[in-house]
Amino acid sequence: KQEVTQIPAALSVPEGENLVLNCSFTDSAIYNLQWFRQDPGKGLTSLLLIQSSQREQTSGRLNASLDKSSGRSTLYIAASQPGDSATYLCAVGANTGTASKLTFGTGTRLQVTL
Amino acid sequence: DGGITQSPKYLFRKEGQNVTLSCEQNLNHDAMYWYRQDPGQGLRLIYYSQIVNDFQKGDIAEGYSVSREKKESFPLTVTSAQKNPTAFYLCASSTFGSSPLPYTEAFFGQGTRLTVV
Repeated sequence: KQEVTQIPAALSVPEGENLVLNCSFTDSAIYNLQWFRQDPGKGLTSLLLIQSSQREQTSGRLNASLDKSSGRSTLYIAASQPGDSATYLCAVGANTGTASKLTFGTGTRLQVTL
Repeated sequence: DGGITQSPKYLFRKEGQNVTLSCEQNLNHDAMYWYRQDPGQGLRLIYYSQIVNDFQKGDIAEGYSVSREKKESFPLTVTSAQKNPTAFYLCASSTFGSSPLPYTEAFFGQGTRLTVV
């Protein structure tokens, strides 16, 4: 059974710092990996999607990498801002034809301080 | 605006009642999903559907039921058999593409918070 772990569980950094969030998974036979952001009491916003054959994806100040063989992904946030404060969730997908069943980690709660 | 709409935002259920959570999407996605989120736990898959009139159980389907009569709609019923229904429920849908590689990407609604009173 796939298990996804995110470290650290919580992180507080001053504005402007670069930071790395970690995600590890136990079964390397994944279809894709997706990073999400969740604000308190809200739904999930998709940040980056990495297919199993890809090594990394970038969107603005965000860069996600994937090392399938070691079961790891990282989300790099450059020049952090207070608006980046949220919970970041990593999810790995298992293919089921035209759908992708996601297994989630418990998230990293990020606070960016002024 | 294209997206996924969940209603209601808050729902209160009395013991022994069935309640239905609504999920509608106008993204023209074939696949739809229901997840449950509890404090300190990752999201867990309840049911998913790849096509109209077809759906499969996820990891925690007991006490829940779904239907998929229309592509746009995937309602979830929380039955009285679900012993601990208080949670945050999230609906999602996903694209399926094949260029340059097969891929899917999931998008989520804003959630429904269900509380047993």
